Amino acid sequence: GQSLEQPSEVTAVEGAIVQINCTYQTSGFYGLSWYQQHDGGAPTFLSYNALDGLEETGRFSSFLSRSDSYGYLLLQELQMKDSASYFCAVRARGQAGTALIFGKGTTLSVSS
Amino acid sequence: GEEVAQTPKHLVRGEGQKAKLYCAPIKGHSYVFWYQQVLKNEFKFLISFQNENVFDETGMPKERFSAKCLPNSPCSLEIQATKLEDSAVYFCASSHQTGDSISYEQYFGPGTRLTVT
Repeated sequence: GQSLEQPSEVTAVEGAIVQINCTYQTSGFYGLSWYQQHDGGAPTFLSYNALDGLEETGRFSSFLSRSDSYGYLLLQELQMKDSASYFCAVRARGQAGTALIFGKGTTLSVSS
Repeated sequence: GEEVAQTPKHLVRGEGQKAKLYCAPIKGHSYVFWYQQVLKNEFKFLISFQNENVFDETGMPKERFSAKCLPNSPCSLEIQATKLEDSAVYFCASSHQTGDSISYEQYFGPGTRLTVT
């Protein structure tokens, strides 16, 4: 089967740094994505890693280790608006790995 | 358009009734995906299209679910004889082609909340 594990909840204060981990088990792997979802709204794309290493986009960074089947999303200089659910997702099924398999999401609560 | 559009926003159906959801992908995107999200938890992939052709339907419960993407029309997802367990938010996403492969980024619509009573 295919599965992704990520913590269900994380809490932090404004200005802090938080890391959301994701481990995956898939048959075939193309890459790991991260999506943000505010209060059940449209998920928005944050980052994608196909190769090992760190990808940085502003306050957000994402890391992948293919040998460990592990990745994380790092959020720096947290703001209240970062309170949301964060989903890791793997491209690992179907033709050319197009569909996304999602984790159950991590709810991040940022307080002042 | 520049955003994925989904209609209706909310849909209430009694058990056994039919439900039909619509999705207009971003103009120029050739791939469309349907996902089901129950109780704000994980997304379940249902089906994908490349233009009007089914690309991957491995997630579809085929007994009651069907989907189409016809030229010059919004894509649709239809559920015949809805059940209580079909209550969920149904998201449509689209993606474009980059060279020979599909872009890794999927753009999601706002979803249709289906409530089966």
